[in-house]
Amino acid sequence: DAGVIQSPRHEVTEMGQEVTLRCKPISGHDYLFWYRQTMMRGLELLIYFNNNVPIDDSGMPEDRFSAKMPNASFSTLKIQPSEPRDSAVYFCASRPGGHQPQHFGDGTRLSIL
Amino acid sequence: AQKVTQAQTEISVVEKEDVTLDCVYETRDTTYYLFWYKQPPSGELVFLIRRNSFDEQNEISGRYSWNFQKSTSSFNFTITASQVVDSAVYFCALSEAGWGSQGNLIFGKGTKLSVKP
Repeated sequence: DAGVIQSPRHEVTEMGQEVTLRCKPISGHDYLFWYRQTMMRGLELLIYFNNNVPIDDSGMPEDRFSAKMPNASFSTLKIQPSEPRDSAVYFCASRPGGHQPQHFGDGTRLSIL
Repeated sequence: AQKVTQAQTEISVVEKEDVTLDCVYETRDTTYYLFWYKQPPSGELVFLIRRNSFDEQNEISGRYSWNFQKSTSSFNFTITASQVVDSAVYFCALSEAGWGSQGNLIFGKGTKLSVKP
């Protein structure tokens, strides 16, 4: 089975631009998570979905961040406008129900200049 | 409040040495799950093990072993006869499963293991 697929793998853009990160979860997984990883703050949960519905977005840093899951096989994380402090690695993960392990994508390394 | 503490920020060992990575957790739930993930230099996060709070049996998988002790709220990870390929950041994580719990993963800060040849 294919794992969690994230795109792009790397993104470099200028401050103020809109950034869209994409994620395709593992087929059949009910839960999808977005994380951000930085040296200072480690792994932070931004938002997660259950059956395409956002359940907890308390980790989203500010209104510049938004996430959607229009269907069971696709999710986006958007930053608009982007700022240099948004530079990080963004991971998407998915899992089935029953507290099964989360499976992570390879991440998107985002650099905002 | 739920919390995971990995007190060892970095560990350096020489190949073939045994090494133990510590993990201490805090939770008010009686039902919870503990996990270990590996993040090699290539950056991906790889699932290693899941343990539920009712199963205190130690687990062994090849050179890897895990020691879960509820009395000390610890879930330590030992690598026997370490190899250079074990060099990575290792994360311990907690997921509460009690009534009203969301089932999110709470990660520790990670321990960076360097295995020298």
